[in-house]
Amino acid sequence: GAGVSQSPSNKVTEKGKDVELRCDPISGHTALYWYRQSLGQGLEFLIYFQGNSAPDKSGLPSDRFSAERTGGSVSTLTIQRTQQEDSAVYLCASSWGRQETQYFGPGTRLLVL
Amino acid sequence: GQQLNQSPQSMFIQEGEDVSMNCTSSSIFNTWLWYKQDPGEGPVLLIALYKAGELTSNGRLTAQFGITRKDSFLNISASIPSDVGIYFCAGQKLTGANNLFFGTGTRLTVIP
Repeated sequence: GAGVSQSPSNKVTEKGKDVELRCDPISGHTALYWYRQSLGQGLEFLIYFQGNSAPDKSGLPSDRFSAERTGGSVSTLTIQRTQQEDSAVYLCASSWGRQETQYFGPGTRLLVL
Repeated sequence: GQQLNQSPQSMFIQEGEDVSMNCTSSSIFNTWLWYKQDPGEGPVLLIALYKAGELTSNGRLTAQFGITRKDSFLNISASIPSDVGIYFCAGQKLTGANNLFFGTGTRLTVIP
């Protein structure tokens, strides 16, 4: 079946602009995660959604970052007033539940000039 | 946060050679996972280990969940050029929203 999809694949923006990144999880997966991967680094947890519960935002690096998940499916990660240090690959993953294996999307490569 | 030490950081090997990489942690995990990431792609799950001492194979890949639950290794036998990529270990806990912790990766280069 279809895997996790993310859009756009690549995004180049100017410092100070807002960006929105989209994630379509695997159908039926109730858990959705956002991670950030800086060049040559491992994955840094950002935020977690489980069903209709309030998201766990403990990994968000600043209040410029926010995310929402509509209808328990599609999620959008928004970065306001982007900074150059926000440049990274933003990965989305979904799973049947918190304890289940996570499946990753291809990521969105964000470059802030 | 949790610290997973993955080694080696990079490897250059000849096609046909075997490869071994490992991951250690100061914390106990309930599940160990190994992912591979190709350039421009997200990580793809290779092997999942659910029980201490478990040894699991997936084709030319073999991984083990350490008895102490604080370590895991991944072996690749008879490497081929398409094995090139970055391999990440990940430890998963049962509790906490942020329950999946990644190593920093092993970058594998296979020389034909």
